[in-house]
Parts: sequence; structure tokens; C-alpha cells
Amino acid sequence: DTAVSQTPKYLVTQMGNDKSIKCEQNLGHDTMYWYKQDSKKFLKIMFSYNNKELIINETVPNRFSPKSPDKAHLNLHINSLELGDSAVYFCASEGEGETQYFGPGTRLLVL
Amino acid sequence: AQSVSQHNHHVILSEAASLELGCNYSYGGTVNLFWYVQYPGQHLQLLLKYFSGDPLVKGIKGFEAEFIKSKFSFNLRKPSVQWSDTAEYFCAVRGSGTYKYIFGTGTRLKVLA
Repeated sequence: DTAVSQTPKYLVTQMGNDKSIKCEQNLGHDTMYWYKQDSKKFLKIMFSYNNKELIINETVPNRFSPKSPDKAHLNLHINSLELGDSAVYFCASEGEGETQYFGPGTRLLVL
Repeated sequence: AQSVSQHNHHVILSEAASLELGCNYSYGGTVNLFWYVQYPGQHLQLLLKYFSGDPLVKGIKGFEAEFIKSKFSFNLRKPSVQWSDTAEYFCAVRGSGTYKYIFGTGTRLKVLA
């Protein structure tokens, strides 16, 4: 059973398009995160939700909008995609002892 | 500024060699410390963590890390690496009582058989 899943795994799109990445966790955790990993492997927190409420928003452009319909899901919608948005996006949920459980990542390439 | 530095970006070792990966952090307050590992084709997963108490913590697969508060460091060690330790290693800190994780840029370890 996959603990944290993301769809799609790969996403290739044109500049200016709007796209969404979905994340689901079946671990019963209350807190979920989105991270962006750039080409230099730098993993940076973008958003965090606790029980469907936004608790962290790390100065991410407002073209990025997270949505949490319930505490098992945290989706990421990106409007007007730019070349600099190309990265790997990781979803994670947080369990006991602040341990992060990561999804497999979504590789986004903006052309 | 809050940051985590991993000075070794790429490390190549032969099997049975000893490993030490450096991690230093800058944070104005109490932190909890973590090492995560990403094996080829797998998810990032927790290797070990330190919250308080004995500054030498042991994790999975024979890894250990030592928290030295005066040096703001949390270096990862393993006495004898195996080929299967080939992976990317990430150090992270989290401010106590916050939800914010700060990750280092990672160290890519390659172990030659």
C-alpha cells in the first residue's frame, strides 16, 4: 500500500498553461506539505496544511495555489506556468515525531 | 538567516571505507535535527533524528549522527559503508514548536563495489 502518492509522476507542458498535481496520503496524518526541488537538488518548503488549514506559505508566487479538500489530500494548482517552475515537486505528510513521509515526486518540465 | 549547509556535494568511497557527511545549520532558536536519505528510484525516507538528550543518535542501517551544539553541526557517520548505501543524503532542521523544515542541498554518495 502506497503511503503518500502523487499524480502525475511526469508533467511536460507549455509556458502559460495551468496544471495541477494531486497528492494523497493514507497514513491518517493531519499535516501535509509541498516542497520544490530545483535542478541543484535544493529542497525548499512551499506550503503546509494542518487539518485542511494553511499553516505555512513560504513566499511562493500566487500563481501557486494549494487546496486541501480533506486532510488526506493536498493538491497543488499552478497557473500561467513559467520556465522557472520546472522542478521536482514533492508532497509529504507528517507523522509521529515530526517524521516526514514523502511521495515519489512529480517531475514538471515547462517548455 | 535560517539555513542548512552540506559542504560535501559529491562523495565517492570504496566499500568498507568510513563515512562522515558534514551538516551545519544557522537558526535563531532551538531546533530538531534530521537526516533523510533517497536511494535510487525510491522515496526520501528518514534515516535518523535528534530532539534532545544524548547528542549521539543512532539510525537505521548502521548510521549515526552527532549533534554538537557549539558548532551548530549534525554530522552523519558510518564506520563501514556498503555499495547499497549509494544514495542522496539530506540534512534538515526544524525549529522547535514550528512546522517549518529547512533542508540542506544534499550530498550524493557513491560507493564503489
